[in-house]
Amino acid sequence: GAVVSQHPSWVICKSGTSVKIECRSLDFQATTMFWYRQFPKQSLMLMATSNEGSKATYEQGVEKDKFLINHASLTLSTLTVTSAHPEDSSFYICSARVGGIAKNIQYFGAGTRLSVL
Amino acid sequence: DAKTTQPPSMDCAEGRAANLPCNHSTISGNEYVYWYRQIHSQGPQYIIHGLKNNETNEMASLIITEDRKSSTLILPHATLRDTAVYYCIVRGYGGSQGNLIFGKGTKLSVKP
Repeated sequence: GAVVSQHPSWVICKSGTSVKIECRSLDFQATTMFWYRQFPKQSLMLMATSNEGSKATYEQGVEKDKFLINHASLTLSTLTVTSAHPEDSSFYICSARVGGIAKNIQYFGAGTRLSVL
Repeated sequence: DAKTTQPPSMDCAEGRAANLPCNHSTISGNEYVYWYRQIHSQGPQYIIHGLKNNETNEMASLIITEDRKSSTLILPHATLRDTAVYYCIVRGYGGSQGNLIFGKGTKLSVKP
């Protein structure tokens, strides 16, 4: 299957700082990427849909000014957690969509574990 | 998107077939059934998907009932590495209907 690389895999930061997470599609171009968040013992929750060259679409309840998403190229989307606080500590996972409308398979990165002290 | 219902957990003996059920009684005609799995502390992995015909690939088989209201994912010879949470997701295509919405899934434990 297609490969999605996510970096870093683990980050610890101080409260109030910003953290950037990168998501790259290594062997395909992705016009659409997704960002999810997963708290311990819970399922993945979709945060936003990232479309190349346009503004991201955020799910209800997700603060767009806090979670900045940039999808400047067909192989790279970034998520910046601005002014991170301990409650932002979570497992962040990106995915990229492959195939046309009918096939529509998403491939996921390995995830980034964010710990805010 | 149609909602799905899965058992919260299942056990399977190593080497035996694992049959994971999923109910999606409100599925509409243009919605596909997708299966993903998530091994602990990793990103989800795509397994298989289908519309109405049964599907098979190197990982698993997907059996969809004729009325499309339920499906079964079959791992023919489960190994310890198949221990994971398995998600059955029903979705359409295009726009927000193309987004994957994860439920709670089935935690499959493969035991020696």
